[in-house]
Amino acid sequence: QLQLQESGPGLVKPSETLSLTCTVSGGSISSSSYFWGWIRQPPGKGLEWIGSIYYSGSTYYNPSLKSRATIIVDMAKNQFSLKLRSVTAADTAVYYCARQSIYSGTYLQGDGAFDFWGQGTMVTVSS
Amino acid sequence: SYELTQPPSVSVSPGQTASITCSGDKLGDKYACWYQQKPGQSPVLVIYQDDKRPSGIPERFSGSNSGNTATLTISGTQAMDEADYYCQAWDSRNAYYVFGTGTKVTVL
Repeated sequence: QLQLQESGPGLVKPSETLSLTCTVSGGSISSSSYFWGWIRQPPGKGLEWIGSIYYSGSTYYNPSLKSRATIIVDMAKNQFSLKLRSVTAADTAVYYCARQSIYSGTYLQGDGAFDFWGQGTMVTVSS
Repeated sequence: SYELTQPPSVSVSPGQTASITCSGDKLGDKYACWYQQKPGQSPVLVIYQDDKRPSGIPERFSGSNSGNTATLTISGTQAMDEADYYCQAWDSRNAYYVFGTGTKVTVL
């Protein structure tokens, strides 16, 4: 059974960089037809897609976060990671990693859906 | 930016049908999917590619997408279906995924 687990600091200071890692077990991150994504949810609010990465390193980002976010993949460790720079209180949220199945085989077809999720990790931005 | 609008809340009696709408410009030209999220839990995919159910999702969940509206229908709603539901679609102009505003389904 595929499992995803987020890890990283639960508290980050304003203006610093948020760094999270997602460890994938029960399956290979280099499987075709899958991207790997980050989604966040501020307390009491809705979901926001941050970005997704293919094992080859190809990435797509939410335009509103693109200037601050970087997602990388480490196939040797079966992990992918998120860095979000210059954080503010508005970045306080539960951060989820998830597998994104691309049913058509082409990411730009837009039929990707997140079918396996990690449990989420709460990150608070505060001094 | 592309927006997906959902009603904040929907109430349904046990055994009845709940319909949750997701509205966006020419949404019917895109693929929509739906997630269920219970309090304190991660979202669960219940519908993908407009109307397909992942393995393990009960048949009472169905989806459709046409014009400017995608709809998630829960037939014979059960107490366990009480949750928040989010739609998701792809903004092809800006190349990013958008989530809907979310709908809280209450089973009275």
